[in-house]
Amino acid sequence: QSVLTQPPSASGTPGQRVTISCSGSSSNFGSNPVNWFQQLPGTAPKLLIYSNDQRPSGVPDRFSGSKSGTSASLAISGLQSEDEADYFCAAWDNSLNALVFGGGTKLTVL
Amino acid sequence: EVQLVESGGGLVQPGGSLRLSCAASKFTFSNYWMTWVRQAPGKGLEWVANINQDGSKIYYVDSVKGRFTISRDNAQKSLYLQMNSLRGEDTGVYYCARAVAAAESFWGQGTLVTVSS
Repeated sequence: QSVLTQPPSASGTPGQRVTISCSGSSSNFGSNPVNWFQQLPGTAPKLLIYSNDQRPSGVPDRFSGSKSGTSASLAISGLQSEDEADYFCAAWDNSLNALVFGGGTKLTVL
Repeated sequence: EVQLVESGGGLVQPGGSLRLSCAASKFTFSNYWMTWVRQAPGKGLEWVANINQDGSKIYYVDSVKGRFTISRDNAQKSLYLQMNSLRGEDTGVYYCARAVAAAESFWGQGTLVTVSS
């Protein structure tokens, strides 16, 4: 049982906009920024969004993040086949003194 | 190009020990927090431990406290994870990561640890 809650799956067609939600609590999202990681099949995870809505260098602006209260979302616009991957949200939890992850959302491009 | 190369994984019996290493290159290792994250087969990501730049601040997930020790050698540009009293639930791919949730985040390719008799 993950501390952060994500839907296990999401899907969309090429060109579509999809969003992935992540729900936390006051001890994590309420106090700290949200981060998102992308894990392509068979590869190591990669940071996609940090500090709620910031993209590291090299991440396309098709990816965007937002946070409101104890919920966060990752949006992917102009969906492409290469976006098919697992997506994880994460944040530091002040009560657990730990970095906590969501269970992950498997995105399928139909 | 920035590199993080993990090594030291393998098959170990329950109750045994392993020491993982992560060799860093092409960046100033001593400037960064470093992290170990693991992933059980077919499962999600689990943070294991963090260490700050000079090793004075260390944090562990509850499930490994007292069994695992994270350390670093800035002169050798290496990160380590000493794992003792291993259990089946410790099985998975172990990744080392630089600045795991910051703009300069970078992850290694991982090393597989299998705890089984």
